[in-house]
Amino acid sequence: GAVVSQHPSWVICKSGTSVKIECRSLDFQATTMFWYRQFPKQSLMLMATSNEGSKATYEQGVEKDKFLINHASLTLSTLTVTSAHPEDSSFYICSARKEANQPQHFGDGTRLSIL
Amino acid sequence: QKEVEQNSGPLSVPEGAIASLNCTYSDRGSQSFFWYRQYSGKSPELIMSIYSNGDKEDGRFTAQLNKASQYVSLLIRDSQPSDSATYLCAVNLPVGGYNKLIFGAGTRLAVHP
Repeated sequence: GAVVSQHPSWVICKSGTSVKIECRSLDFQATTMFWYRQFPKQSLMLMATSNEGSKATYEQGVEKDKFLINHASLTLSTLTVTSAHPEDSSFYICSARKEANQPQHFGDGTRLSIL
Repeated sequence: QKEVEQNSGPLSVPEGAIASLNCTYSDRGSQSFFWYRQYSGKSPELIMSIYSNGDKEDGRFTAQLNKASQYVSLLIRDSQPSDSATYLCAVNLPVGGYNKLIFGAGTRLAVHP
């Protein structure tokens, strides 16, 4: 149980393109979903926390107009990287949690490369 | 002081030995604690959850929690080369009305044949 599906696994696109990443909880309803970014050999960095039906809460230093998060249902959250540039190239990972004190379950991640 | 601290390693153990991974946390309000394993280039995978003081065993893994000492550990018995990965300690903290998972920087474990 507690499977989180993230799509796509890899994206390579030109600078200026917008990219959408989907995160789905397949066998549970996730009250909260999270989006992380990880650069090579560095720690996970939380970007934002998203609760179903409400606006996402962004961490300090994360541009909410650049990283658009939509959490339309209890099983789906999307992250859109708008007007992506090479410095946005990274490993983006979503996670989902059923209840506040429960663990987060992670998707397989999306490797984004902006040329 | 970091909220969740781990020794970055690498911790090198021979195959078949017990690997002991340690973590300390700063907030006494923490109620739930997790260990994740992350292979290079992959996303974290949940190994253990622990909520109360004492030991919790699951197969070759044992998590230990001591809230008085603000200490949580993970023991891996009969270590295998496939256990070589980075192990992340994570602590749930109440922040701004919701629970936020704070990760340690991770301990890199290398199990050699």
